[in-house]
Amino acid sequence: SQTIHQWPATLVQPVGSPLSLECTVEGTSNPNLYWYRQAAGRGLQLLFYSVGIGQISSEVPQNLSASRPQDRQFILSSKKLLLSDSGFYLCAWSTGTGAGEKLFFGSGTQLSVL
Amino acid sequence: GNSVTQMEGPVTLSEEAFLTINCTYTATGYPSLFWYVQYPGEGLQLLLKATKADDKGSNKGFEATYRKETTSFHLEKGSVQVSDSAVYFCALSIPNDYKLSFGAGTTVTVRA
Repeated sequence: SQTIHQWPATLVQPVGSPLSLECTVEGTSNPNLYWYRQAAGRGLQLLFYSVGIGQISSEVPQNLSASRPQDRQFILSSKKLLLSDSGFYLCAWSTGTGAGEKLFFGSGTQLSVL
Repeated sequence: GNSVTQMEGPVTLSEEAFLTINCTYTATGYPSLFWYVQYPGEGLQLLLKATKADDKGSNKGFEATYRKETTSFHLEKGSVQVSDSAVYFCALSIPNDYKLSFGAGTTVTVRA
């Protein structure tokens, strides 16, 4: 069966520090991978998605970046965190082209930038 | 572009009350529609979906019908329980697009 791992579960970082959040998927090949952010009191915002190794699409320009070094690994990074980067970050995967295909979400990372 | 608008919360109900969360959409083509649920401290999980007009998705006592004429996908449950307390997200995807567009989410609290 397929599983998705996302870590860490919680993270407290000072402003200006770097960030690396990792997500891995098991039990499937060539998944579509996604990073979403859920800010306090706001909805779910798609940050990045990837349909293959090295292929990254950015939905919202900001100081975050994403990389996909392996088929089932997706990393969210920042060189210098801002206060506005605080939020709940969710990794997700899917297969197919999105028509009727559901997303499987990880358990999320609560990031607090202080 | 493609977007989803859902009623703002928070919604507070008593156990066994009837729940409706409105969701309308704007999309090019023929979208698939979803309801996701997020329980406290967890990621999202699919609650139900419908892939074409007039389809009804159902799960755990929740139902939603894909209405093309009103571009709506309202979520309903006839008798809620405390365990239904969660954030509910309406979402859509369109064919040959890898992304899901989510609504802002509606927080539902059910009191005993």
